[in-house]
Amino acid sequence: QVQLQESGPGLVKPSQTLSLTCTVSGDSITSGSYHWTWIRQSAGRGLEWIGRIYPTGSADYKSSLASRVTMSVDTSKNQFSLKLSSVTAADTAVYYCARASPLFYLHHWGQGTLVTVSS
Amino acid sequence: DIQMTQSPSSVSASIGDRVTITCRASQGIASWLAWYQQQPGKAPRLLIYAVSTLESGVPSRFSGSRSGTDFTLTITSLQSEDFATYYCQQTKSFPHTFGQGTKLEIK
Repeated sequence: QVQLQESGPGLVKPSQTLSLTCTVSGDSITSGSYHWTWIRQSAGRGLEWIGRIYPTGSADYKSSLASRVTMSVDTSKNQFSLKLSSVTAADTAVYYCARASPLFYLHHWGQGTLVTVSS
Repeated sequence: DIQMTQSPSSVSASIGDRVTITCRASQGIASWLAWYQQQPGKAPRLLIYAVSTLESGVPSRFSGSRSGTDFTLTITSLQSEDFATYYCQQTKSFPHTFGQGTKLEIK
C-alpha cells in the first residue's frame, strides 16, 4: 500500500520560499502512470489544487500560482517537492501531497503538514 | 477555471437517514468528477470517482450520479462515521478545482 509523508518547515517568514518534500513509500515514484500532486487547505480558500508533476518532470500548475511555484521529482530518493516563493500570510495552509491516477483522481494522500507564514 | 458549486453548505441529519449533496459545474466536465470525505484533522479520502465508481473499501451506501453538469452524492442509511465534510472535485481541466464543501452534521 503506497504511503505519502510531507515534511518541511512549519513556519516560513513573509517573502521567503516555502519548501516541502513528499516521501513516497510502498511503491516506486516511477511505477505506473501516476501524477504526483500538491493540494493545500486553508479556512479562507477551502481545498485548493496547486499542481501536479509526472515522473518525467512534466508539470502543470494552477495559473494564479504558476509564477511562484516549482515542483520537482527526485526518483533516487522516491520523493517529490514543492517550492512556493514570495510567500505571504495568504499562503498559510495545511499542505497535502497526493498520488493521482492517470485520470487525476486523488486515491492516496499524505496526512498533511501545516505551514504558517509569519514573521 | 471551472467553478464547482456545492449545495447545501451544511446539512443536519440523523442516523439511518438518507442524505443528498449536489455539486454543479460551471461548464461541462463530462464524467470527470470525484467525491471526497474529510474527517476533522484528517486528509480527505476518495469515495467516488468518475461520477459513480466506488473507491475500494467504500461502503455501498455511498453512490454518485450525474445529470448534465449537476452531480449528486447520496448516502443512504447514515452511520455515525459518515458525519464529516464532503467535497466534489473536477478533473476535466487544470486546475482541478474543488467545491467549497458540505458539512454533514448530526441532528
